[in-house]
Amino acid sequence: QVQLQQSGAELAKPGSSVKISCKASGYTFTSYYISWIKQTTGQGLEYIGYINTGSGGTNYNEKFKGKATLTVDKSSSTAFMQLSSLTPDDSAVYYCARVNYDYFDYWGQGVMVTVSS
Amino acid sequence: DIQMTQSPASLSASLGETVTIECRASEDIYSNLAWYQQKPGNSPQLLIYDANSLADGVPSRFSGSGSGTQYSLKISSMQTEDEGVYFCQQGLKYPYTFGAGTKLELK
Repeated sequence: QVQLQQSGAELAKPGSSVKISCKASGYTFTSYYISWIKQTTGQGLEYIGYINTGSGGTNYNEKFKGKATLTVDKSSSTAFMQLSSLTPDDSAVYYCARVNYDYFDYWGQGVMVTVSS
Repeated sequence: DIQMTQSPASLSASLGETVTIECRASEDIYSNLAWYQQKPGNSPQLLIYDANSLADGVPSRFSGSGSGTQYSLKISSMQTEDEGVYFCQQGLKYPYTFGAGTKLELK
């Protein structure tokens, strides 16, 4: 069965970076893009961008350019998202999701990132 | 960016009641619309894609309809397990955007 297993919760200081992972199983990893989505109570669900798991090509929401960097390791079927120059506004739950055409058919369990001094 | 406006923000329904949630796009999205259900502490789960196609394993009491800028999700007979938050999402243009969500509770 398709599974996206994300890494654990992160507590980070303002100005630092975090890198969270999303390990896929149960399907051919390079056949589907992976997207990342931010969820906060105030802003709801926000699309960050996607990575082409075959080529490594990326597309970012303008709002997250310079904030998020998406990478992939095909050998381990894992996608990564690094968040840099963290501020309290980056505190959120971050999901990876498998892209099927123009929708998200499988989601990871989410990673809570808390930015606090 | 395409704005997605959901209504109502919250509602409560009795067991067996029919529930309808609306989603309006700021421009024509040509049925590139998905619906998701999120239960507390869980990630969103796909219910409907392409405006009216039922995702695998989703009960047939869920259905989607609409075109152009107006879409709706219908639950034909409210069940206890249908409590949660429902989101719409447009997939026509990047960045993909979501509605703010509709919280559905059992009355």
